Amino acid sequence: ETGVTQSPTHLIKTRGQQVTLRCSSQSGHNTVSWYQQALGQGPQFIFQYYREEENGRGNFPPRFSGLQFPNYSSELNVNALELDDSALYLCASSLSSLGVGEQYFGPGTRLTVL
Amino acid sequence: AQTVTQSQPEMSVQEAETVTLSCTYDTSESDYYLFWYKQPPSRQMILVIRQEAYKQQNATENRFSVNFQKAAKSFSLKISDSQLGDAAMYFCAYRDGNKLVFGAGTILRVKS
Repeated sequence: ETGVTQSPTHLIKTRGQQVTLRCSSQSGHNTVSWYQQALGQGPQFIFQYYREEENGRGNFPPRFSGLQFPNYSSELNVNALELDDSALYLCASSLSSLGVGEQYFGPGTRLTVL
Repeated sequence: AQTVTQSQPEMSVQEAETVTLSCTYDTSESDYYLFWYKQPPSRQMILVIRQEAYKQQNATENRFSVNFQKAAKSFSLKISDSQLGDAAMYFCAYRDGNKLVFGAGTILRVKS
């Protein structure tokens, strides 16, 4: 069974640029959630994708957008990068969007915006 | 909105000793799930233990156990026989619908 993987591991961008982060969900999982973890803080929910549709969104502006593909892998896109977007971005996959389904996290992508 | 508070930014424990990490939360729901996650320096968030609010019995996973006080909205994690590998950031989390709400975390240091 393959766990949750994320790419790239690290990324450095400059303010105003755009970035795409990728996540492959654990085998059999149809739900992917994205979280932003600023340094020294707990993760904050960005949004969730369930069967290729956005299924809930946290308090993040529209320049944060995502996609989920038929194989349930997912992308997080951030446009017009700001310095405050520097953070660890975590994705988590689960068997369902609700219920007791445990969320399995990937190792994260460390984004630095200069 | 549900909130999760971890009042201990950092804790230390001697190897083989017991340590308790605190967590309080705020909710108006009667049925919900609470979690403790561990995040080692490798950054991968690992589920340590889960508690379902409707279950009276405190959850236990090997050396990890919780003290769940529903009326007080308290959910502390006890680590027994602490090991060097337990050193990590620990997050308390509440399931709010389809998302997890995390506390700010507690850094646990284990001394040999």
